[in-house]
Amino acid sequence: EIVMTQSPVALSASPGERVTLSCRASQSVNTNLAWYQQRPGQAPRLLIYGASTRATDLPARFSGGGSGTEFTLTISSLQSEDFAVYFCQQYSYWPSSTFGPGTKVEIK
Amino acid sequence: QLHLRESGPGLVKPSETLSLTCSVSGGSITNNHYYWAWVRQPPGKRLEWIGSMYYSGSTDYNLSLKSRVTISVDTSKNQFSLKLNSLTAADTAVYFCARHRNREPFDFWGQGTLVTVSS
Repeated sequence: EIVMTQSPVALSASPGERVTLSCRASQSVNTNLAWYQQRPGQAPRLLIYGASTRATDLPARFSGGGSGTEFTLTISSLQSEDFAVYFCQQYSYWPSSTFGPGTKVEIK
Repeated sequence: QLHLRESGPGLVKPSETLSLTCSVSGGSITNNHYYWAWVRQPPGKRLEWIGSMYYSGSTDYNLSLKSRVTISVDTSKNQFSLKLNSLTAADTAVYFCARHRNREPFDFWGQGTLVTVSS
């Protein structure tokens, strides 16, 4: 099973700041990597797939990068609605798709 | 707009079988582009994919749960269901239903339903 890790576990930032979240796979998943956002009490929302392709209607301040085992999600200018938990998912290997533990983005 | 809604008991006893249903509205479960899945998240832990099914009835299951899981579809009701047997406390989790294309990420999710396994 491919193990996904994310760092940091949590971060505090102010509105307008640029933040970068990291996701690492225990073996290469090529670019079969997705990012999700989950606000408290809400359904997860797909943000990025194919490591760098934005989902429909996703603001341009969100960008994804990386390939193989190292990936990033960058929010160029945090907005109030961006404070949430972000997690990554590898879908390179079915039926063994796996998720990362998440990074919580909090208001400083 | 697609909407998925999970329903089922919030409390189930150990050793019993969990039954959950996902009702799909705003789209057809027989759309041949999509698969329908169950994902769960134990308290404080990461998400875990349980399994997926196609409207024809074909299924894929997480190997770690395969012996205890059945996912089925009722196209007449535009619903699909999850059965998980031999429950233990480790099965306590928020259970989500979701949609995805073949071997692709989940593009629509339900709000989730908390299931507690306890006597």
